[in-house]
Amino acid sequence: QQPVQSPQAVILREGEDAVINCSSSKALYSVHWYRQKHGEAPVFLMILLKGGEQKGHEKISASFNEKKQQSSLYLTASQLSYSGTYFCGTDIFGNEKLTFGTGTRLTIIP
Amino acid sequence: DTGVSQDPRHKITKRGQNVTFRCDPISEHNRLYWYRQTLGQGPEFLTYFQNEAQLEKSRLLSDRFSAERPKGSFSTLEIQRTEQGDSAMYLCASSFLLGLAGGSSYNEQFFGPGTRLTVL
Repeated sequence: QQPVQSPQAVILREGEDAVINCSSSKALYSVHWYRQKHGEAPVFLMILLKGGEQKGHEKISASFNEKKQQSSLYLTASQLSYSGTYFCGTDIFGNEKLTFGTGTRLTIIP
Repeated sequence: DTGVSQDPRHKITKRGQNVTFRCDPISEHNRLYWYRQTLGQGPEFLTYFQNEAQLEKSRLLSDRFSAERPKGSFSTLEIQRTEQGDSAMYLCASSFLLGLAGGSSYNEQFFGPGTRLTVL
């Protein structure tokens, strides 16, 4: 089952904050976050594992609520370079086979 | 450049023709994934390999699709008798599967630039 992301799109002014959510109907082993700019490959941002482990870039923060099967990505003090489409990928079995959501398009304006 | 590479970057073919794509992962990576992405959608899992072993193939994938990773290094994805619905971006990703104390493991997948397939 494909995870559901919200919002589908958001427009921010430079310096504003945003939260992107990812919800699954199944229990999750891990959640992976990627950003994709138009015409480019997805780029890794963050992995969150059940049990609380995380791995990711220093300027990116995220949370993983195992009970609710939800993850949120927090973008603070947004920069123009943050623009792109954000995808969460969910791993149900711990085998690193990811099911990606439909994405959240983030636009940062000066 | 030591990233994931894919060849060709673009492929235009006529319906019914066969096409083959190549992916060269990051050299020390033992996992290799194939995804398909259509406009406005997230990557859709197709298949993945651990070294040369194909671990799983998507149930949604037609028998016209086959993938190999013969020596545990590069991989090929072949589509036989292409259909217009096969038009998409085909992404390859690789990773190094880590094992951590306590049994948990995680890895980040590094994506290649993709091969854009257009079936006329």
